[in-house]
Amino acid sequence: DGGITQSPKYLFRKEGQNVTLSCEQNLNHDAMYWYRQDPGQGLRLIYYSQIVNDFQKGDIAEGYSVSREKKESFPLTVTSAQKNPTAFYLCASSTMTGRREKLFFGSGTQLSVL
Amino acid sequence: DAKTTQPPSMDCAEGRAANLPCNHSTISGNEYVYWYRQIHSQGPQYIIHGLKNNETNEMASLIITEDRKSSTLILPHATLRDTAVYYCIVETGGYQKVTFGTGTKLQVIP
Repeated sequence: DGGITQSPKYLFRKEGQNVTLSCEQNLNHDAMYWYRQDPGQGLRLIYYSQIVNDFQKGDIAEGYSVSREKKESFPLTVTSAQKNPTAFYLCASSTMTGRREKLFFGSGTQLSVL
Repeated sequence: DAKTTQPPSMDCAEGRAANLPCNHSTISGNEYVYWYRQIHSQGPQYIIHGLKNNETNEMASLIITEDRKSSTLILPHATLRDTAVYYCIVETGGYQKVTFGTGTKLQVIP
């Protein structure tokens, strides 16, 4: 079945450590997105990518980095510069046929600081 | 992007219709209204979208006012599995970022 796979489901980060969250999609979608969700809050956009080898900052990009070397993959690195990384991270994708269609979301990664 | 306003929470009796309102008074002519829902600790799920006509699918109905400044998502027969946070967003669907607000937490009561 087509979909978006996020891994791992739970991740723990030590102080000063960089961690990478994986997001893979087999929907052949052009656009991919990363969101952060804090408890009881809505989704805030971190980065998004409309095409391979191109990506743009969202509203809260500081302390994060991404790459888009392959159409199906959009990994997110939470760097040591992100001082409050504990949150639920969601990856999404969508197709761009004339206009962008609905977003498909993965099941999320819960990141916690040790 | 146009800003949306939703009530933070609502209750609905099981089996009754759930009507979730959304205000988007600054919506532009080329912006669509989208609805998603998020069940606890899962990724959001698309429900429905529309431009100016009312829309219906197997999950819900979307009623958009004639001036397009507000809309209502209708779940015709709410079940306990419809308990979730419902997000209303407006956007053109073009090459741009997509932002979400805090949504409405719908609690379906037995």
